[in-house]
Amino acid sequence: SQKIEQNSEALNIQEGKTATLTCNYTNYSPAYLQWYRQDPGRGPVFLLLIRENEKEKRKERLKVTFDTTLKQSLFHITASQPADSATYLCALDGGGNTPLVFGKGTRLSVIA
Amino acid sequence: DSGVTQTPKHLITATGQRVTLRCSPRSGDLSVYWYQQSLDQGLQFLIQYYNGEERAKGNILERFSAQQFPDLHSELNLSSLELGDSALYFCASSVGEVSQETQYFGPGTRLLVL
Repeated sequence: SQKIEQNSEALNIQEGKTATLTCNYTNYSPAYLQWYRQDPGRGPVFLLLIRENEKEKRKERLKVTFDTTLKQSLFHITASQPADSATYLCALDGGGNTPLVFGKGTRLSVIA
Repeated sequence: DSGVTQTPKHLITATGQRVTLRCSPRSGDLSVYWYQQSLDQGLQFLIQYYNGEERAKGNILERFSAQQFPDLHSELNLSSLELGDSALYFCASSVGEVSQETQYFGPGTRLLVL
């Protein structure tokens, strides 16, 4: 069956460290993968999109990698700050006419 | 601010009732998507409309229906409400028809069914 799994429900890290979040998928062949940030009670906000032919994408302190062989995307936040505390969702295209499919998210807490 | 608006922000109603949620997409966006988010289920895609026509359907119950009007705003109708329908309902929009595009989400409507 098709699955998207984000490594853990919650991740706690110290301020200034690099946070690494994982998104694994099974039985999908996405042309691209997206990452969103969601704060409690608010709608997800788009962060980054990476295509299948791109290995890595960066935006300020954010970096995303996409390994279609491992069927995995890694999302990194360098020099993390308490303001980075949120839930991060990965989403991928389900192929054909299937809309974006979202993972359940990882709740990141950056501790000062 | 994503540019997507949703009303109402909160809704409390009783089982068996019917409610209507409203969404206005970003200016220029032709696609509207509806999602349901509950604590244990994550973000579940319900339905997509593109320029007034249904484009894709997800796990939407028969008790739920939606439409997109000529001015591109959309409404999600939930009827015969059950306790389990309590959730956050999000609307999102995107420019084109391809549903895998980047989506811009509204602030959501929190529905509580008592």
